[in-house]
Amino acid sequence: DTEVTQTPKHLVMGMTNKKSLKCEQHMGHRAMYWYKQKAKKPPELMFVYSYEKLSINESVPSRFSPECPNSSLLNLHLHALQPEDSALYLCASSQGRFGDSPLHFGNGTRLTVT
Amino acid sequence: QQPVQSPQAVILREGEDAVINCSSSKALYSVHWYRQKHGEAPVFLMILLKGGEQKGHDKISASFNEKKQQSSLYLTASQLSYSGTYFCGTHKTNAGGTSYGKLTFGQGTILTVHP
Repeated sequence: DTEVTQTPKHLVMGMTNKKSLKCEQHMGHRAMYWYKQKAKKPPELMFVYSYEKLSINESVPSRFSPECPNSSLLNLHLHALQPEDSALYLCASSQGRFGDSPLHFGNGTRLTVT
Repeated sequence: QQPVQSPQAVILREGEDAVINCSSSKALYSVHWYRQKHGEAPVFLMILLKGGEQKGHDKISASFNEKKQQSSLYLTASQLSYSGTYFCGTHKTNAGGTSYGKLTFGQGTILTVHP
């Protein structure tokens, strides 16, 4: 069982919809991440939050909007997505964010944009 | 920059050994190794922090040559449960000698173990 919980597991949305992905961890980790993974590719970093503040945005289009309401929760708000945004979206957390702590991944949300 | 993994795929019989390599063109602060099974989340295997460090975990071990900016993952006496895609992830070293805080994954090595 993963200690990082992501909901929903699957999401189908149209290009005009607004939806949100949710991630929760109760390990006391202070760094949280969003990664995007296409089939047969490695996870690609999107955002990093450290102590609830956005510290890294990997030039992600503004149709993806992250939010960290508190130290346990991470959201990814989606609006006006494109079909090429269909992918597995992985949330992860770690104790620290400077390379000496392992990432704990959730099982992901499989997103399909129609 | 994405680290480069080799080989891209490995096919083994149970009990055989394998080595997966990961190399970077940039100075590294740390190397992570993860395994991902189909339809599942990546699972952490180990972190290597110091040049020349070697770590072991049951029959899976790894080394990190800081000078060569390379890491290798060693799987010995492979089991069916070892099948999956192995990713190395690297943290580059910044001017202050720590990391930028960004874990970048290699393209992955698909390991298949047959009975």
